[in-house]
Amino acid sequence: DAKTTQPTSMDCAEGRAANLPCNHSTISGNEYVYWYRQIHSQGPQYIIHGLKNNETNEMASLIITEDRKSSTLILPHATLRDTAVYYCIVRASSNDYKLSFGAGTTVTVRA
Amino acid sequence: GAVVSQHPSWVICKSGTSVKIECRSLDFQATTMFWYRQFPKQSLMLMATSNEGSKATYEQGVEKDKFLINHASLTLSTLTVTSAHPEDSSFYICSATTGGDQPQHFGDGTRLSIL
Repeated sequence: DAKTTQPTSMDCAEGRAANLPCNHSTISGNEYVYWYRQIHSQGPQYIIHGLKNNETNEMASLIITEDRKSSTLILPHATLRDTAVYYCIVRASSNDYKLSFGAGTTVTVRA
Repeated sequence: GAVVSQHPSWVICKSGTSVKIECRSLDFQATTMFWYRQFPKQSLMLMATSNEGSKATYEQGVEKDKFLINHASLTLSTLTVTSAHPEDSSFYICSATTGGDQPQHFGDGTRLSIL
């Protein structure tokens, strides 16, 4: 699976949109982009995933560039409870279904 | 939907004992379940992949005789840490998926402390 690069940390203002970037320049045609977050001392929480089209759900939006080499997770109205480590993971829809977690981006939402 | 329950949340036990952790998918049947370990200030590390009715596949460096995985049904997988020692103290997390492009859904983790 392709590797991803994310900023180490980000600060966001409460109530504003939080835009989290992720680079995956070696992504293959059959690889999906998944976003998870982990709040301290909890298991990771699935946020959203996509292949090539932009996706939106009740938690966030995922914007994937046309060349698929990067993506942005958008939290439309960040709250203090969105403070977490956010992981961008690329995975092929294949038989092993494994996820490889990197260091992620530590997002701190400030009042 | 897509709830994964992990039990227990906390375990404190003496060195040399065995500890069993349960992972259940409550509202879906999981084709595959996974077990991860996370040390303080580190990311999740995959330990093993488990499919119902077959032997688990362990990642390199994970002792299969120490970390016994049983996946008896499409909704239950167990991890037994045998003869646990202080260095096995960690945060153990399971996940489950229905496969394909569907995401893994994670339990809330089990914090294991071996004295």
